[in-house]
Order: sequence, then C-alpha cells, then structure tokens
Amino acid sequence: NAGVTQTPKFQVLKTGQSMTLQCAQDMNHEYMSWYRQDPGMGLRLIHYSVGAGITDQGEVPNGYNVSRSTTEDFPLRLLSAAPSQTSVYFCASSYWGINTEAFFGQGTRLTVV
Amino acid sequence: DAKTTQPTSMDCAEGRAANLPCNHSTISGNEYVYWYRQIHSQGPQYIIHGLKNNETNEMASLIITEDRKSSTLILPHATLRDTAVYYCIVRVINNNAGNMLTFGGGTRLMVKP
Repeated sequence: NAGVTQTPKFQVLKTGQSMTLQCAQDMNHEYMSWYRQDPGMGLRLIHYSVGAGITDQGEVPNGYNVSRSTTEDFPLRLLSAAPSQTSVYFCASSYWGINTEAFFGQGTRLTVV
Repeated sequence: DAKTTQPTSMDCAEGRAANLPCNHSTISGNEYVYWYRQIHSQGPQYIIHGLKNNETNEMASLIITEDRKSSTLILPHATLRDTAVYYCIVRVINNNAGNMLTFGGGTRLMVKP
C-alpha cells in the first residue's frame, strides 16, 4: 500500500518556466489537497478537491492550477514559476467527513531561480 | 476555524512523558481538536483527535479541558524519534469547505538523551 506518492522529490526551475507536480493516492480517498510550506512556517492550503471533477481554492491559490479527472490523481500546475514559489509542497488525502485523518506525501522541494 | 496558541519550543528527557499544551479559547461547539506532527521536513503525520472526551491511542493521549478552551497532548514515554514539530489544529467539519487543516507555527519538541 503506497499511500500518497508525490513526484518529483526535488526540482529546480527557472523563472517563467511551467511544470506539474504529481500526486497520487491508492486509498480511494475522496478528498485531496495541496499545501506549501515555507522555511520555518506551518503549511498553507493552496487548492483542494472533494472528488473527481470538483476543485476549489484554498488560502494561497494564485499562480497555481489544479484538476481532478480521477479519484487517484491530483496534479498541481505552476503556470509561470516565480522565486516566491520556492517552497516545499505537500499533497494530502483523506476520506470525507468527521473523524478522518489526513495522509500526507513526502513532499516536493521546489527551487525557482 | 478557531485560532490555537502553542509554545514555540519544549524540551523533554528521553523516557519521560512529554506534555504539549494548546490553547484554543475561541473554540466552538462543533470544532474538533486535532494533533499532527512533522518530523524533520517529512510530510505531517496524524496523531490523534477529539471533540470533548479524552482520547488515547497507540501513539498518545489527548486531554481536553471541560470547557474545551485548552488541551494537552501527552506522549507517555518520549523517545528520540519523537523529536518533531507538533501542530494543534482546531477545525470544523464543513461539507462546503472540505477537510481543510489550518496549520499554525506548532511546538518544536526536542527529546534529549
């Protein structure tokens, strides 16, 4: 059981480049989300999805797009990378509703130069 | 979601109980208290959660005061591997907003030999 898998683990981008961070889960969870964590800070929610075909914005959505075509996958797209997007990105998934725990991936460390 | 206040850092001797406090004085009746931890930049890991009763699992115990304005996470026999940042999160399960988690700064627990 792989849980939540994120790829790549590390990435360096030049300013203006675009890329997609991949997230996949094999637990049949309805809810998936993306967070970013800047040095010394807590995690902040970027986007989330409550099921295939449904996405919504979190606290810091600007500069990012998401889609949810399947239950398993929830990719995060950086449209035009900026140095301010240098961060560690975490994907999480959970069942819907009360008394659920979130499972997190191991993170993608992104540097934009 | 209600705001939480945690000490920035704490030390604990190996083998001793670690008691991590959290203040959530503005908590509402339908908000749960969740605890997660993050070990050295890994993805956060769920520990425990509760509404108003004390809870215990294989990892920890959660003590919630009767007025629910504060709680304490107890690691009964701390080991070096428990060194991590511990996040206390108060959240309401809202079907419109999903299972969002709002992370504050957390408490950095250092377990010392």
